[in-house]
Amino acid sequence: DIQMTQSPSSLSASIGDRVTITCRASQSIGRYLNWYQQKPGKAPKLLIAAASTLQSGVPSRFSGSGSGTDFSLTISSLQPEDFAVYYCQQSYANPMYTFGQGTKLEIK
Amino acid sequence: EVQLVESGGGLIQPGGSLRLSCAASGFTFSNYDMHWVRQVTGKGLEWVSTIGTGADTYYADSVKGRFTIARENAKNSLYLQMNSLTAGDTAIYYCVRVDYDILIAYYDLWGQGTLVTVSS
Repeated sequence: DIQMTQSPSSLSASIGDRVTITCRASQSIGRYLNWYQQKPGKAPKLLIAAASTLQSGVPSRFSGSGSGTDFSLTISSLQPEDFAVYYCQQSYANPMYTFGQGTKLEIK
Repeated sequence: EVQLVESGGGLIQPGGSLRLSCAASGFTFSNYDMHWVRQVTGKGLEWVSTIGTGADTYYADSVKGRFTIARENAKNSLYLQMNSLTAGDTAIYYCVRVDYDILIAYYDLWGQGTLVTVSS
């Protein structure tokens, strides 16, 4: 099984900060990497597919990069609505699409 | 409106069975692979099962032999039959649609989730 490891597990930041969350795969997965945002009591929402493709309607302050085993999600200027839990997911090992453990982004 | 709506969750005793349903609307259901994903409250996300457009099925090791996924395209519906339930199956169960960026799969549509609680 492909293991996905996110860091940090939690992060405190202020409005306007630039933050980066990283995700590492236990083996090379090319660009088969997606990012989701989950707010309390809600289902996850797709932000970025294929490592860097921003989904329609997602603000441009979100960006993704990486390939192989190392990936990152960057929020260029934090807004109040961005405080949530973020998950990476690999879709290389069809159909066992495993997730990272999540990164909780909190207000400082 | 494009949406997925799960139902069928609830409180069930260990060893019992439950059938989850997911009603799809607003898109051509038969054209999409569908998955079930679960989440223990306050914890991470775990893939549970897949059914392809050709009705091919796959299961996580943790549920293999106990859960059965099925689809009924004429009714735009996805199902998860869960047998021999244990406390470890307690979670919110999400129905999700799979789409592709060329060959790269992602979950582009999620249901609201249905809570399954296994407890005596």
